[in-house]
Amino acid sequence: QQQVKQSPQSLIVQKGGISIINCAYENTAFDYFPWYQQFPGKGPALLIAIRPDVSEKKEGRFTISFNKSAKQFSLHIMDSQPGDSATYFCAASIDSSASKIIFGSGTRLSIRP
Amino acid sequence: DAEITQSPRHKITETGRQVTLACHQTWNHNNMFWYRQDLGHGLRLIHYSYGVQDTNKGEVSDGYSVSRSNTEDLPLTLESAASSQTSVYFCASSASGGSTDTQYFGPGTRLTVL
Repeated sequence: QQQVKQSPQSLIVQKGGISIINCAYENTAFDYFPWYQQFPGKGPALLIAIRPDVSEKKEGRFTISFNKSAKQFSLHIMDSQPGDSATYFCAASIDSSASKIIFGSGTRLSIRP
Repeated sequence: DAEITQSPRHKITETGRQVTLACHQTWNHNNMFWYRQDLGHGLRLIHYSYGVQDTNKGEVSDGYSVSRSNTEDLPLTLESAASSQTSVYFCASSASGGSTDTQYFGPGTRLTVL
């Protein structure tokens, strides 16, 4: 059972454009939604995270938009740069579950110069 | 600086052999995790531990085992390797507490089972 569905599987964006990755979840008990970024040959690293009590969180060029009623959240990368080329994973967890995180299937993002 | 390391980085083995992948962290984190990463499946949890002598099964634990004899290490053993276990394996750790604690990942081990 895939509890966090992520799309698209791959994405190509021109330099300077906006990259958008979407995720949907099923379990309404989830209360923490992190995004991880993974470069080739490296392990994933936390990029940005949000709790469902806010609809948006912004850190630099990266923004998470959260729609609790639709059980959807998305990552927007503004002014996308070649250095943003990586695989992005959305995830969800229940705070009381002591660190267990459910990951989406990943999106391979390529930024064309 | 604190870090999490995995060894070996690459491993080729034959079907039926026992394989052990090492994970060592110097964060002094209580929580440690093993994931496998396969195209189209993202990261799937194999086993996890919340402290010394504690181990728990994750989503895809069949054919794998772990043991936690100290805080720093969580080795992952494939008892009898199968071709379906060809994958990239990641170890991660986090401080004790809720799921909002950041998980820090190692560089991964690419395992090929022939």
